[in-house]
Amino acid sequence: SYELTQPLSVSVALGQTARITCGGNNIGSKNVHWYQQKPGQAPVLVIYRDSNRPSGIPERFSGSNSGNTATLTISRAQAGDEADYYCQVWDSSTGEVFGGGTKLTVL
Amino acid sequence: QVTLKESGPALVKPTQTLTLTCTFSGFSLSTSGMRASWIRQPPGKALEWLARIDWDDDKFYSTSLKTRLTISKDTSKNQVVLTMTNMDPVDTATYYCAQTSNIHGDAFDIWGQGTMVTVSS
Repeated sequence: SYELTQPLSVSVALGQTARITCGGNNIGSKNVHWYQQKPGQAPVLVIYRDSNRPSGIPERFSGSNSGNTATLTISRAQAGDEADYYCQVWDSSTGEVFGGGTKLTVL
Repeated sequence: QVTLKESGPALVKPTQTLTLTCTFSGFSLSTSGMRASWIRQPPGKALEWLARIDWDDDKFYSTSLKTRLTISKDTSKNQVVLTMTNMDPVDTATYYCAQTSNIHGDAFDIWGQGTMVTVSS
């Protein structure tokens, strides 16, 4: 079955750039989506198809995907960006797959 | 405006069957390209996809849970129903339904608020 690997936690200083990775076998050939989940809330889509932002998501959020790693980049990190972030893909053998999630801390 | 709301029992006993209903508005599951999925999240743990139903009634299930899951839709009522048999305490989780349209590829565009289900005797 297809698996996605994320770091458990990432820390970033206020105003700096955070990068959250999502590893998977040849993930570059798949469409990767990213979700933000704050405590007690449902997830919210922040990046779709590797690098596209839904309406209402700040330009500070960007994404890339190549080879075996997809990356969510959050520029000029704010306190309000503290959350869990999940990557997700569709795999024809496994179905929808989520990564294990990364807790972002803004220091 | 698309909204989804999950409903069902808050507490079920081990071995019982869980039935959850997702009632939605703002879209039709009979429209080409529309999909609805169920996703769960045990307390403090990661998201886990369970099942999906498409506008053309195609159905997809988690490989690890497919023997226990059934997903169906009632387009006249704007509802999607998930049943999960033989519930166990490890199935304790918040259960979400989510919509996929073609607006954002095959991503989960909009999520319901979730409903917490506890499995305990």
